[in-house]
Amino acid sequence: GDSVTQMEGPVTLSEEAFLTINCTYTATGYPSLFWYVQYPGEGLQLLLKATKADDKGSNKGFEATYRKETTSFHLEKGSVQVSDSAVYFCALRYNQGGKLIFGQGTELSVKP
Amino acid sequence: GAVVSQHPSRVICKSGTSVKIECRSLDFQATTMFWYRQFPKQSLMLMATSNEGSKATYEQGVEKDKFLINHASLTLSTLTVTSAHPEDSSFYICSAPGQFGGPLHFGNGTRLTVT
Repeated sequence: GDSVTQMEGPVTLSEEAFLTINCTYTATGYPSLFWYVQYPGEGLQLLLKATKADDKGSNKGFEATYRKETTSFHLEKGSVQVSDSAVYFCALRYNQGGKLIFGQGTELSVKP
Repeated sequence: GAVVSQHPSRVICKSGTSVKIECRSLDFQATTMFWYRQFPKQSLMLMATSNEGSKATYEQGVEKDKFLINHASLTLSTLTVTSAHPEDSSFYICSAPGQFGGPLHFGNGTRLTVT
C-alpha cells in the first residue's frame, strides 16, 4: 500500500545551520506531496506542496522538490531559526479533498 | 486565521464517561471531514472519514461503537469517545478540505486525558 517514510528525529541544529529532512514515499499512482508543520500544542499547518514530478514547493525559506525517479520529497532550508523548532510531517494525497497519508514526523530543535 | 475550529482544545475526563469533540468549518462548507489520532512522538493515524448525510467510513481497526462520528451539517462534524478509558488518551485532530477541493485545513487538535 501507499506509505511515507521520514528520517528519524529528533534533529538538533544550531541557528543558521542548513536543514535537510528526508522523505521518501511508496505510491501506486501519482499523488500530490505535502509538508506540514506542527508547533508545540497546535494542529498542523500546511508548509508547502507539489502536485507533480519536478515541481518545487516553497514557503518561508523552506523548499522541497518532487522527485519521481527517487520517490523523494526532501525538505530543505538554507538557514534555520529557533522559531522553526517544530515537528515536520511529509504526506501524500491522491485526490483533491482526499485523505492524507502521513510519515511518522521528524522533530526539529534549533538552538540559539 | 483558522478555517477549521476544533473544540475543546483540552479535556480531562474520568474513565467510563463519554467525551464529545466538535470540528467546525468556518466560512466554507465541508461535505467530508477527516478525524486523526496522534500518539506521543508518533504520526497521525486516520481514524475515519466523516460524510455529511451518510455514515462515516472507518479505517481498519477503529471501533465504530467506541468512536462515534456524526456529520450533523455541512459545517459540523463531531467525534464522541464513548466509555473512555486511559488508553484512549491521545491528541485528536480533525481536518476538512478547503473550498473547491483545496488543501486540507486542520483544527488545532484536542488533547484528551482519561483518568
